[in-house]
Amino acid sequence: ILNVEQSPQSLHVQEGDSTNFTCSFPSSNFYALHWYRWETAKSPEALFVMTLNGDEKKKGRISATLNTKEGYSYLYIKGSQPEDSATYLCASHSGAGSYQLTFGKGTKLSVIP
Amino acid sequence: EAGVAQSPRYKIIEKRQSVAFWCNPISGHATLYWYQQILGQGPKLLIQFQNNGVVDDSQLPKDRFSAERLKGVDSTLKIQPAKLEDSAVYLCASSLGGAGSYNEQFFGPGTRLTVL
Repeated sequence: ILNVEQSPQSLHVQEGDSTNFTCSFPSSNFYALHWYRWETAKSPEALFVMTLNGDEKKKGRISATLNTKEGYSYLYIKGSQPEDSATYLCASHSGAGSYQLTFGKGTKLSVIP
Repeated sequence: EAGVAQSPRYKIIEKRQSVAFWCNPISGHATLYWYQQILGQGPKLLIQFQNNGVVDDSQLPKDRFSAERLKGVDSTLKIQPAKLEDSAVYLCASSLGGAGSYNEQFFGPGTRLTVL
């Protein structure tokens, strides 16, 4: 079973600030890294699926980078808004034949208006 | 496209009682997953179905948990009898599956279970 770590566990930022969080995962046998956004009482929502070393993906004010050689991914939020408040989960799976995702504990972001 | 549906959304029971959760995946998704997310932890896979067959149930506490996926569509997860440590959010997810898939999973809103 993979060990996926996320940091920080939680953070509070002021509206308009930019922020970033880290996801680390075992680099051996890496296949794909997923980022999800989970608002309270809603379904976790897929943000990005990343597979290639050096990959960078962007959706609006949110972007993510991937380093498969050292086993980490960063998620960036530019100009945080209150609606960005959520728990951000990353999940990794290894090996083309495995469909099992191993999740980190998440980073809980609170954006203060 | 309709998302993954789950019911009930909330459930409060006393320990030693039984409880069942229902999930309806996205139409056409062959793979269905049940996760348990305990407060402060990441979601943990309990069981994975491919159509109506079990692919992985290695982390399912089989002495008290059971799951089935009749006709390869809807699924139910049952706990009998419940313990205090079963208090968690139970998430259902589905994916297209298939060889070479990056396995993008689509989640339902979850059922929040409280065991008193």
